[in-house]
Amino acid sequence: AQSVTQLGSHVSVSEGALVLLRCNYSSSVPPYLFWYVQYPNQGLQLLLKYTSAATLVKGINGFEAEFKKSETSFHLTKPSAHMSDAAEYFCAVSDLEGGSYIPTFGRGTSLIVHP
Amino acid sequence: GAVVSQHPSWVICKSGTSVKIECRSLDFQATTMFWYRQFPKQSLMLMATSNEGSKATYEQGVEKDKFLINHASLTLSTLTVTSAHPEDSSFYICSASDPGLAGGLVDTQYFGPGTRLTVL
Repeated sequence: AQSVTQLGSHVSVSEGALVLLRCNYSSSVPPYLFWYVQYPNQGLQLLLKYTSAATLVKGINGFEAEFKKSETSFHLTKPSAHMSDAAEYFCAVSDLEGGSYIPTFGRGTSLIVHP
Repeated sequence: GAVVSQHPSWVICKSGTSVKIECRSLDFQATTMFWYRQFPKQSLMLMATSNEGSKATYEQGVEKDKFLINHASLTLSTLTVTSAHPEDSSFYICSASDPGLAGGLVDTQYFGPGTRLTVL
């Protein structure tokens, strides 16, 4: 069984400040991990994914995430927030349990960027 | 690559009517598509897995007679909400994997823009 916990339903940062969105997972087998972003009334856009290669994964829009097996974490960071980063962010985990890669999503974290 | 579209983007209907939502993979073939439902300020809930040429696999608690899924071709899956009621109002999102992009490993899903359904 797999699950995802996103700490904090809302994260508020100033423009230019560091963004840190937390994600912890549980999985019985080596997982694939994803971060998606969702803008209002839109679908999900893939930011980045970890699939057992480099533990530090770089994504689009300046985001990156680090897979830490010992901490079962996959936190998302960005050095400097932009106003356009304000959105809902979802962490997801999937593995081959049951023979499929259907992801399990966290509850989401709303990123608020203020001037 | 890996673009998924949905139509319509929003729909308003009367209670008791049926609504069909289309999900298309525009630049790849998707043997499997997925349908999700999302309530305001909440995460995505997987409703069913749509398999081309066969019956959909529904998640526990999802009424298969209410949410009819047809995956008639490698680029099109449809979700029909039958006899819709106000509690069916939600944001419906589909996704698909592209084995070609992933070297045969369908590890990443690409999402459509979603369909906002409002049942009056």
